[in-house]
Amino acid sequence: DTAVSQTPKYLVTQMGNDKSIKCEQNLGHDTMYWYKQDSKKFLKIMFSYNNKELIINETVPNRFSPKSPDKAHLNLHINSLELGDSAVYFCASSQGWDENLRETQYFGPGTRLLVL
Amino acid sequence: AQKITQTQPGMFVQEKEAVTLDCTYDTSDPSYGLFWYKQPSSGEMIFLIYQGSYDQQNATEGRYSLNFQKARKSANLVISASQLGDSAMYFCAMREGRGSSASKIIFGSGTRLSIRP
Repeated sequence: DTAVSQTPKYLVTQMGNDKSIKCEQNLGHDTMYWYKQDSKKFLKIMFSYNNKELIINETVPNRFSPKSPDKAHLNLHINSLELGDSAVYFCASSQGWDENLRETQYFGPGTRLLVL
Repeated sequence: AQKITQTQPGMFVQEKEAVTLDCTYDTSDPSYGLFWYKQPSSGEMIFLIYQGSYDQQNATEGRYSLNFQKARKSANLVISASQLGDSAMYFCAMREGRGSSASKIIFGSGTRLSIRP
């Protein structure tokens, strides 16, 4: 059973194009995230949604627009793609602290975006 | 200032030996959580272990344990009896706040662990 799934896994496109990445989680979590991992493996949060509401927006260019149709889905649309957008984009979900004050956060498999 | 510091960019360890991956963090919030993730060459991010700031005991998950030293603000990952499949990038991460979705999780720069047969 896939907990957090993303499509597509690979995306190769030309500069200037618009593309979308989809993410779905079947864990029943309230919170979903988008992260960007650059070529040096540095992982940085882009957005966080809780129950379909935007919670965190980390000064990401407004060419990036997340959309959460329901709490199980968080999609990322990117307009006018630039060379610097090439990276691996990870979706993740979490539920915050449980009754034992423990938290888990699970990642999707990642989408490898290459802008030519 | 770096919130999460992993000082070992790379490590080589002999198979079956134990290995400790260092992580120090910086926060003034009394409530926080610490995570370790493994990223093999295939690219996925695998959740390994979690330690809450209020936990009295070190977290353990199978061969993974977290050496949590609160006063020193360190959360080192210990892998016992290393295996070839442990070769991967390992990331330490922290969330400030009470597991709140309003706070972000910050990642360290990672340590690349290579296990020698």
